[in-house]
Amino acid sequence: DAMVIQNPRYQVTQFGKPVTLSCSQTLNHNVMYWYQQKSSQAPKLLFHYYDKDFNNEADTPDNFQSRRPNTSFCFLDIRSPGLGDTAMYLCATRTSDEKLFFGSGTQLSVL
Amino acid sequence: GNSVTQMEGPVTLSEEAFLTINCTYTATGYPSLFWYVQYPGEGLQLLLKATKADDKGSNKGFEATYRKETTSFHLEKGSVQVSDSAVYFCALTGSSASKIIFGSGTRLSIRP
Repeated sequence: DAMVIQNPRYQVTQFGKPVTLSCSQTLNHNVMYWYQQKSSQAPKLLFHYYDKDFNNEADTPDNFQSRRPNTSFCFLDIRSPGLGDTAMYLCATRTSDEKLFFGSGTQLSVL
Repeated sequence: GNSVTQMEGPVTLSEEAFLTINCTYTATGYPSLFWYVQYPGEGLQLLLKATKADDKGSNKGFEATYRKETTSFHLEKGSVQVSDSAVYFCALTGSSASKIIFGSGTRLSIRP
């Protein structure tokens, strides 16, 4: 059974049209991450939560926001997507011994 | 900040060949080191980890040893299979233990 679930699997949006990606977990882990992975590149950390404490990476554009209403759910909001935001977005949780569990990702295409 | 550099791909091998994928790191302190694998269309999965110098992580026939003197964590497998075809990422904990930083990935293709 999937433990970190991302929806939708594929998302197409228009330039400038807000989009929300969702992630849920059944692991009850305190730490959740959002990574952006462009084609053939390393996953790039956008932000992470430790419980409700939000930690934004310094180079994450203001266009990217996140919400974590409870332990199980986390959302990535892109307020005005640009063509350069086309990427795979990966959600992950972390165990106390530093292991990451990833979802299958949402492939976002901005047209 | 902490960073990791890994061998560029793609790497193409025949089945049953010996595999090495190089990974070196730059870090302050004593980071934990990881190898993750990504199969086509899927998220990353933890393959193995090591938390201190001279630790050896192993899983599914893959091994990597934490070498502090050479700041390396090379991935090895004695006999690869077609099912090992995937992208392999070396990673380490960042300046904050909550952060995991990934290398650029190495695509591995195994010919039958």
